[in-house]
Amino acid sequence: TQLLEQSPQFLSIQEGENLTVYCNSSSVFSSLQWYRQEPGEGPVLLVTVVTGGEVKKLKRLTFQFGDARKDSSLHITAAQTGDTGLYLCAGAGQGAQKLVFGQGTRLTINP
Amino acid sequence: GAGVSQSPSNKVTEKGKDVELRCDPISGHTALYWYRQSLGQGLEFLIYFQGNSAPDKSGLPSDRFSAERTGGSVSTLTIQRTQQEDSAVYLCASSFLGFRFSHQETQYFGPGTRLLVL
Repeated sequence: TQLLEQSPQFLSIQEGENLTVYCNSSSVFSSLQWYRQEPGEGPVLLVTVVTGGEVKKLKRLTFQFGDARKDSSLHITAAQTGDTGLYLCAGAGQGAQKLVFGQGTRLTINP
Repeated sequence: GAGVSQSPSNKVTEKGKDVELRCDPISGHTALYWYRQSLGQGLEFLIYFQGNSAPDKSGLPSDRFSAERTGGSVSTLTIQRTQQEDSAVYLCASSFLGFRFSHQETQYFGPGTRLLVL
């Protein structure tokens, strides 16, 4: 069974600070996705990474896929209150037909 | 240009009753997924429909759970003889091709149905 462990589970920081969220596994994934979910809504896809070592940037968010495609990180620079939400990583195993989700990181950015 | 819709948005039921949750996917999407999310946690896969293929039911937690997808579009998740541990948010998602064909698929999620079993 493939598992994705996210850390930290909860993070509360001040506006303007930087932060990194991690998503780790002992399994290799063909692709890894990051989602953000706000209260009362479904998750929304932020990015998909597919190549080992790949780095993608989305404004102040930087996503990296590990060289061995077993882990990923999300780094936010100069966090804003609008970044508050539940961040979920999800991986598609080799040959798999569905995603495995991590348990999520609940991020709170305080003004 | 509607996204994925789900109904009802909230459902309160008594232990032992049956409930039906509905999902309307994005038109033209061949893949449809059901997930369960407990109290702001990660998503637990339940079932996956891909076109006319037999569904992947490997995530259904018990035989009280079943789902169908009629005409390749609307899907209904049925929970029979509900238990208190069934209380959760049930999320539906659809995608154009499905992960069987592309590992770079974007899943579009509905807002979920919040189920509370008393």
